[in-house]
Amino acid sequence: SSELTQDPAVSVALGQTVRITCQGDSLGTYYAAWYQQKPGQAPILVMYGKNKRPSGIPDRFSGTSSGSTASLTITGAQAEDEADYYCTSRDSRGDHWVFGGGTKLTVL
Amino acid sequence: QITLKESGPTLVKPTQTLTLTCTFSGFLLSTSGVGVGWMRQPPGKALEWLALVYWDDDKRYSPSLKNRLTITKDTSKNQVVLTLTNMDPVDTATYYCGHLFTSSFGELWDFWGQGALVTVSS
Repeated sequence: SSELTQDPAVSVALGQTVRITCQGDSLGTYYAAWYQQKPGQAPILVMYGKNKRPSGIPDRFSGTSSGSTASLTITGAQAEDEADYYCTSRDSRGDHWVFGGGTKLTVL
Repeated sequence: QITLKESGPTLVKPTQTLTLTCTFSGFLLSTSGVGVGWMRQPPGKALEWLALVYWDDDKRYSPSLKNRLTITKDTSKNQVVLTLTNMDPVDTATYYCGHLFTSSFGELWDFWGQGALVTVSS
């Protein structure tokens, strides 16, 4: 079982704001990274560290962290944001990596 | 520009050993702080981290699979090889290799290969 917990599915109306969360003990020590994965494609890094976006990721994506919970927020969700989102971080011992179970985002 | 590409068999039989090669470009695995690792994703399921090798040959393995996994690097060929022994149908998955980057916020997987689907069936 994963040491990072995500809601299996979230939906958002086009243009509205949605928050995807990731919970785990290791997030009190390590930053989470977030990946977007569309069907048949490899994951793409969309957020890491303290609200850091890789080059090319729209600024409607933002990240926060508090205690054992990390969040990815999409402000003004677009149709192209519909995808699976995964969080990852080191595990509690710091020796290995863990992924969350993923959140399927539907844009209505 | 960093790129990675997985290669290997698409079909293996139960009990066989899977050998996958990750060939990369755009970085050196001899650079301090750099690593290359493997993840997998069964059809319709979540991502799972498998193994990692650092620039200094330090290696890490998933606790649940460590007895079956081996990761090695060939810096001169820009390749990392993953072997997984005693394959089972539950090991059917898309296998990804990834570049590990050390940022000021810790390590993260910033670039991934396109993935290689491996099916385990007799």
